[in-house]
Amino acid sequence: GAVVSQHPSWVICKSGTSVKIECRSLDFQATTMFWYRQFPKQSLMLMATSNEGSKATYEQGVEKDKFLINHASLTLSTLTVTSAHPEDSSFYICSAREIYTDTQYFGPGTRLTVL
Amino acid sequence: DQQVKQNSPSLSVQEGRISILNCDYTNSMFDYFLWYKKYPAEGPTFLISISSIKDKNEDGRFTVFLNKSAKHLSLHIVPSQPGDSAVYFCAAKKAAGNKLTFGGGTRVLVKP
Repeated sequence: GAVVSQHPSWVICKSGTSVKIECRSLDFQATTMFWYRQFPKQSLMLMATSNEGSKATYEQGVEKDKFLINHASLTLSTLTVTSAHPEDSSFYICSAREIYTDTQYFGPGTRLTVL
Repeated sequence: DQQVKQNSPSLSVQEGRISILNCDYTNSMFDYFLWYKKYPAEGPTFLISISSIKDKNEDGRFTVFLNKSAKHLSLHIVPSQPGDSAVYFCAAKKAAGNKLTFGGGTRVLVKP
């Protein structure tokens, strides 16, 4: 149980295009999902907290107009990187908070490469 | 300002021996601590957690110790197995809210 999936697992895009990443909790409901970013050999940095049915809460320094988050249902949150640039290339990981245990379960991550 | 620190970037241990990973935190508002294991190009996997009202939690080969006065926690893995080779992150959470603050990670290599 407590499986979180991400799609796609990797994506390569041209500079200036937008990329959407999906995060799904497969066997539990998650009112709260989180989006992290990890640079090589560094820790996970929280980008934003996604709440079902309401606006996401962004961490300081994260551009909300560039990283659009939508949490339309209790099992799905999406992160859209708009007008991607090479510096946006990174490993993006989502997590979903299981309501009853309050534990965060992580997705497998999405590797984004912007050319 | 790094509120959660893992001062050892790497650790090498022989199979069958104990692995001890350390984590220090500075924010006294943290009251729940977690350890995650991560393989390259994968998301972190939850291992074990501890609440600030406890000083020890054990689950199979994994034991987490918490020293609140020292703002220090450690993860013991015994016996270590080659499959334990991964990066281990400690994370901390405040009572209010769900945000996790991660340490920088410790890469563990278990040699057969």
